[in-house]
Amino acid sequence: SQELEQSPQSLIVQEGKNLTINCTSSKTLYGLYWYKQKYGEGLIFLMMLQKGGEEKSHEKITAKLDEKKQQSSLHITASQPSHAGIYLCGAAHTGTASKLTFGTGTRLQVTL
Amino acid sequence: DTAVSQTPKYLVTQMGNDKSIKCEQNLGHDTMYWYKQDSKKFLKIMFSYNNKELIINETVPNRFSPKSPDKAHLNLHINSLELGDSAVYFCASSPRIAHTNYNEQFFGPGTRLTVL
Repeated sequence: SQELEQSPQSLIVQEGKNLTINCTSSKTLYGLYWYKQKYGEGLIFLMMLQKGGEEKSHEKITAKLDEKKQQSSLHITASQPSHAGIYLCGAAHTGTASKLTFGTGTRLQVTL
Repeated sequence: DTAVSQTPKYLVTQMGNDKSIKCEQNLGHDTMYWYKQDSKKFLKIMFSYNNKELIINETVPNRFSPKSPDKAHLNLHINSLELGDSAVYFCASSPRIAHTNYNEQFFGPGTRLTVL
């Protein structure tokens, strides 16, 4: 099984709807990173969470790290077509944080 | 003013050939990485270098050899290419911030390798 599981694997939402993507780790997290990948392009950094209970927002995207630091959720409010892409969570499972393990990815489509 | 650049963007080659992918970052970062993304979009680390020194070497066939001539460059050479090597290869870099776990990685646009 994967060290980092994301759910759902894919998501189709209507423009204007809210959605949540989850990332669950089988190991303690020392840092949790959210990235977005547009089709056929590289990864774009969204935000990083380190402390249990931490929450960060960027425009309409909010990410939380749960208290036990083994799960994170990414919430998009009032989705837009520009939010479409693949969302990947990356985890640092050691204190040195020199290596990130990535989740399986969530493919998001936003329909008009 | 591209931050992390890779060449080529596309690479189509025959089985058995040897090929190289180049990566350069102009961010002044100490650490660079190579990742492989397979057809299911699963992204997996292959190598990491810090200041030209190899620090991560995942279970990768020894046909893959990274080379870092300086801390701004990390090239990937692949010998005897196989069908299963077809994937998108991403280069990334990150700053080394002492005494922290901070590791924001900046990714290149990827190189799509197709082995026929």
